[in-house]
Amino acid sequence: AQTVTQSQPEMSVQEAETVTLSCTYDTSESDYYLFWYKQPPSRQMILVIRQEAYKQQNATENRFSVNFQKAAKSFSLKISDSQLGDAAMYFCAYIGTGNQFYFGTGTSLTVIP
Amino acid sequence: DAGVIQSPRHEVTEMGQEVTLRCKPISGHNSLFWYRQTMMRGLELLIYFNNNVPIDDSGMPEDRFSAKMPNASFSTLKIQPSEPRDSAVYFCASSTGTSNQETQYFGPGTRLLVL
Repeated sequence: AQTVTQSQPEMSVQEAETVTLSCTYDTSESDYYLFWYKQPPSRQMILVIRQEAYKQQNATENRFSVNFQKAAKSFSLKISDSQLGDAAMYFCAYIGTGNQFYFGTGTSLTVIP
Repeated sequence: DAGVIQSPRHEVTEMGQEVTLRCKPISGHNSLFWYRQTMMRGLELLIYFNNNVPIDDSGMPEDRFSAKMPNASFSTLKIQPSEPRDSAVYFCASSTGTSNQETQYFGPGTRLLVL
């Protein structure tokens, strides 16, 4: 069965600094997608970035980038130049051929002014 | 595009009452998902539909929960009777296709409190 693990329940970063959130997953599939979702206090889920497993190039969206290590089954999220608005819960998610999302338990990010 | 619309945004009810949560997916999306988020269990998939047909309801916790999708633009999640342990945030999400290539877009969620 697929599992997604986020081993950091809480993280903090100084404003304008860089922080990396970790995510590992377990799967026997070769074709899948990985996502990072942000959930601010409003509880609405916001897609941050996605990565196709068949692509070797790491996805990037403005200040957000991933380090995708397929062999290690690792998918970390790097936030550069952290802003106060980045404070939220971040979920790592996996979807394989079964079209079902598997979410990690989340990492709560605090941004310190 | 208005995005995925959920109603109500907040619901407070008493134990034993029936609760109905509603979702309008993004127009043109063929798949719809219902999730529940609690602090204890994280984000769980309850059920999802492809082209209005329930595909996997293995995440539905028990018979008190039921979901319907009478047409492509509307779905309901009903809890009858409700219990305090049902208190959670319920998310609806939709995607454009039936394959795993499609990103799911989440609604704002319904925060349910059962007293």
